[in-house]
Amino acid sequence: GAVVSQHPSRVICKSGTSVKIECRSLDFQATTMFWYRQFPKQSLMLMATSNEGSKATYEQGVEKDKFLINHASLTLSTLTVTSAHPEDSSFYICSASTALAGREQYFGPGTRLTVT
Amino acid sequence: AQRVTQPEKLLSVFKGAPVELKCNYSYSGSPELFWYVQYSRQRLQLLLRHISRESIKGFTADLNKGETSFHLKKPFAQEEDSAMYYCALISGSGNTGKLIFGQGTTLQVKP
Repeated sequence: GAVVSQHPSRVICKSGTSVKIECRSLDFQATTMFWYRQFPKQSLMLMATSNEGSKATYEQGVEKDKFLINHASLTLSTLTVTSAHPEDSSFYICSASTALAGREQYFGPGTRLTVT
Repeated sequence: AQRVTQPEKLLSVFKGAPVELKCNYSYSGSPELFWYVQYSRQRLQLLLRHISRESIKGFTADLNKGETSFHLKKPFAQEEDSAMYYCALISGSGNTGKLIFGQGTTLQVKP
């Protein structure tokens, strides 16, 4: 149980285009979803927290107009990187938590974004 | 400031040797601490949490509030323990509490 999927697993896009990453909780309802960014051989940095039906809360330094987060249902959150640039290339990971599991977060497998 | 520090980037031991992965934290209030593990090409997964006081795969971790530490220990390392280990604490209340990760320690268990 408590499986989180991400799609796509890897994506290559051209500079200036937008790309959408989906995060789904497959067998539970996720009241809260989190988006992280991980640079090579570095730790996970929280980008934003989203609750179903409300606006995401972004961490300091994260541009909300560039990283659009939508949490339209209890099983789906999306991250859209708008007008992507090479410096946005990274590994993006989502996680989900549910009230039934306390404060444990279940992580997705991550999405490798490469902007050329 | 809330912070998690893992001083070692890489810890290399031989199979059967004891392992201790260090974690120190800075947090005002009562911390809730976790160890996460990421095996090669796999997703991050929870290894253990301090409130459970359990042993998973032979690993234990004790919260020491006096030393603000939550070191991960295993008496006899196995090759399959080779992975990236992250110490983390939860900041904030409710289910929106966010995880603050340490820098991670790569554990390499040699045969």
